[in-house]
Amino acid sequence: AQTVTQSQPEMSVQEAETVTLSCTYDTSESDYYLFWYKQPPSRQMILVIRQEAYKQQNATENRFSVNFQKAAKSFSLKISDSQLGDAAMYFCAYRRLGGNKLVFGAGTILRVKS
Amino acid sequence: NAGVTQTPKFRVLKTGQSMTLLCAQDMNHEYMYWYRQDPGMGLRLIHYSVGEGTTAKGEVPDGYNVSRLKKQNFLLGLESAAPSQTSVYFCASRIQGRQPQHFGDGTRLSIL
Repeated sequence: AQTVTQSQPEMSVQEAETVTLSCTYDTSESDYYLFWYKQPPSRQMILVIRQEAYKQQNATENRFSVNFQKAAKSFSLKISDSQLGDAAMYFCAYRRLGGNKLVFGAGTILRVKS
Repeated sequence: NAGVTQTPKFRVLKTGQSMTLLCAQDMNHEYMYWYRQDPGMGLRLIHYSVGEGTTAKGEVPDGYNVSRLKKQNFLLGLESAAPSQTSVYFCASRIQGRQPQHFGDGTRLSIL
């Protein structure tokens, strides 16, 4: 069974600085999708960024980028120029190609200091 | 454009009571999902559906039932609520293919 591990229960970053959230996963599949979701205090689940395993190029969405290391089964999220609105719980998630289910990590709480 | 709508947003039940959570999506998505979110555990899949009239068990299905009589609706039922079912419940949907899931805003359910 696939598993997703987020080893950092909580992280802090100074406003305008850069922070990296870690995620590792375990799978025997070669094709899959990886996602980062943001959950602010409002409880909404907001898709931040996604990566398709067959693409070697790391995905980027404005201030958010990933470092996808397929061989190491690592998928970290980098947030540049952190803003107060980035404070939230961040979840890493996995879905195999053709699969129906998302497997989530336990989440990392990100605090942004002004 | 409502997206995924969950009803109710908050509910308190007594042990043994029953209730149904409603999820409605207006995006014509084939797949729908019910998750529960507990502290320190992320989201865990309860049941899911790949189309109207079909349902399947997820990771933590015990104590829950679901129905998908219409494509746009996915109901989650608790026949006899237990304190262990106190949680935040999320519904999600997606279209076939590579697209990600879209989530509702969650339902906070407390069982006393």
